[in-house]
Amino acid sequence: SAVISQKPSRDICQRGTSLTIQCQVDSQVTMMFWYRQQPGQSLTLIATANQGSEATYESGFVIDKFPISRPNLTFSTLTVSNMSPEDSSIYLCSVEGGPSGSLGEQYFGPGTRLTVT
Amino acid sequence: AQSVTQLGSHVSVSEGALVLLRCNYSSSVPPYLFWYVQYPNQGLQLLLKYTSAATLVKGINGFEAEFKKSETSFHLTKPSAHMSDAAEYFCAVSEPGNQFYFGTGTSLTVIP
Repeated sequence: SAVISQKPSRDICQRGTSLTIQCQVDSQVTMMFWYRQQPGQSLTLIATANQGSEATYESGFVIDKFPISRPNLTFSTLTVSNMSPEDSSIYLCSVEGGPSGSLGEQYFGPGTRLTVT
Repeated sequence: AQSVTQLGSHVSVSEGALVLLRCNYSSSVPPYLFWYVQYPNQGLQLLLKYTSAATLVKGINGFEAEFKKSETSFHLTKPSAHMSDAAEYFCAVSEPGNQFYFGTGTSLTVIP
């Protein structure tokens, strides 16, 4: 399975500021995904990031609020912009497949726990 | 659109007892089905997956799940609960090449 790391693991931020979360994968992957997990809830897909193209955002999420970069096949960033307390969540990146993955599996990073005060 | 229903947001079992976590899905085509576990302050770890091979799927840590097409179910079981099984469990469904849809999760508590 792919090994995924995220930075930072947690942060406490003031409202109105922005935070960029990094996701690093130990192998080249085509598709990377960003999810939000609000307290006590399930995962909600924010966007899909493919290398070399604009990210595809799900309903309710917009690029101005959650800009994403995907400069190469092993790295992506998600920025949470102009934060409010409602953005307090765990943000997870995931990848589909990879050299040892198959048949649509997704592997998840450890998550970034964000608290906005 | 796909959907996943996990019955019971909280399940408590005694140590050594059977674990049964329920998952039902809706899909118009044969889906891929997954169970993930999330331990406190960690990301999601794949427990097992069904991808149209054997209907009884064995995963890590002694868990298994059975795909029942007639019931559109993919319930997760473990014969004997261990304290270390306490975690949040998510069922997910996808169609090949499409996005994942996660259930709302079931929190498993194991009582000593």
